[in-house]
Parts: sequence; structure tokens; C-alpha cells
Amino acid sequence: KQEVTQIPAALSVPEGENLVLNCSFTDSAIYNLQWFRQDPGKGLTSLLLIQSSQREQTSGRLNASLDKSSGRSTLYIAASQPGDSATYLCAVSHAGGTSYGKLTFGQGTILTVHP
Amino acid sequence: EAGVTQSPTHLIKTRGQQATLRCSPISGHTSVYWYQQALGLGLQFLLWYDEGEERNRGNFPPRFSGRQFPNYSSELNVNALELEDSALYLCASSRSGGARETQYFGPGTRLLVL
Repeated sequence: KQEVTQIPAALSVPEGENLVLNCSFTDSAIYNLQWFRQDPGKGLTSLLLIQSSQREQTSGRLNASLDKSSGRSTLYIAASQPGDSATYLCAVSHAGGTSYGKLTFGQGTILTVHP
Repeated sequence: EAGVTQSPTHLIKTRGQQATLRCSPISGHTSVYWYQQALGLGLQFLLWYDEGEERNRGNFPPRFSGRQFPNYSSELNVNALELEDSALYLCASSRSGGARETQYFGPGTRLLVL
């Protein structure tokens, strides 16, 4: 059974800092990994999707890397801003079997960027 | 292009009642997924519909059911509501089914069971 873990559970940083969020998964038979952002009480916004054959993806101040063999992904946020404050979730999609089609999510990292 | 829409935004029911939640996918998307986000439990996969058929189901009791209509919109029905069904229910859609497509999420329906 796939398990996804995110560390740290919460992070508070001053504005302008560069930061790293971590995600690990137990089963490397994934199709892709996605990073999402969730604002309080809201739905999910997709930030980056990395296919299993890729090593990293970049969008603006965000960079996500994937090491499938070790079951790890990191989300790097450069020059953090108060507007980045949200919960960040990683999720993996499964290559087959009974989990096909579903995303398995981590518990999330609650990020607070203070001015 | 309109995103995934869900209705209602909030729903209050009492224990034992039935709840119906609705989802409209992004135009051109044929797959719809349902997830439950309960406090302390994280996001859990409920159901996946594609081309009108149920393709996969999470570890939830049979009182959680749904369907997909010919226009690809979907309903999630929860019968015999229990207090622990209180959660944010998120719907997502993708161009086609399976692992390769990005899932786009709606704003969710917050269900409160009293």
C-alpha cells in the first residue's frame, strides 16, 4: 500500500527566505507526482506535475525535483512571499493495479510566510 | 475556460439523512474523481468515473455511491449519514482516465452532519 509522507508538517519563515518542502513515498511504481497548494477551506491548485521519467519541473519561483528510485520529491520555493502562505500537498498517481487512477496524498505542509 | 464546479458549496444534514453532491468537469474532460478531506485524515480517494462507468473505488462503505451522466457531470450520494462523514468533498476532472492525466480540482462541497 502506497504511503506518502510530508516533512515538515508546518513551517514558519520570514519573507524572502528560500525554503524546501519534502515528500517521500513508499512504492516507486508511480506514474507521476504532483504538488498542490490549498488555501484554507478551498480546493486544490496544481502547482507542478513531474512525470516519473523526469527529474524536475520549474514554474516561476517554484522548482520540484523527483528521485523515483529513492522515493523522494522536494519542492523548492525561492524568495518566499506572504502570499505563498498555504498548505502544500504532494500526491502520487499509480502506474497500475487496484490503485490505478487515484491520487495518494501526503498530509501536507502548512507554510506561513510572515512579513 | 471554466474550471471544475461543484454544488452546493455548503450542505448541512442530520445523522441518517442522505446527501447529494454535484460536480461539473472542465469542458472536454471525461473523467471525474471524488475525494474526501476529513479533519485529521487528509485527502482520501473515493471514486473514479470515466465515460459513465465506475472505474475504481476507494476504501469506503457502499453507502457512498455515485454516477456519471452522459454530459460527464457527476453526482456523489452519501446515504445514512454519520457524524464522521463531515468533511470537505472535492471533485476533480481529467481529459481521460488513468494515471497519465493531470487532475484539476474544484472548490469543494463542505458537508456538515449534525
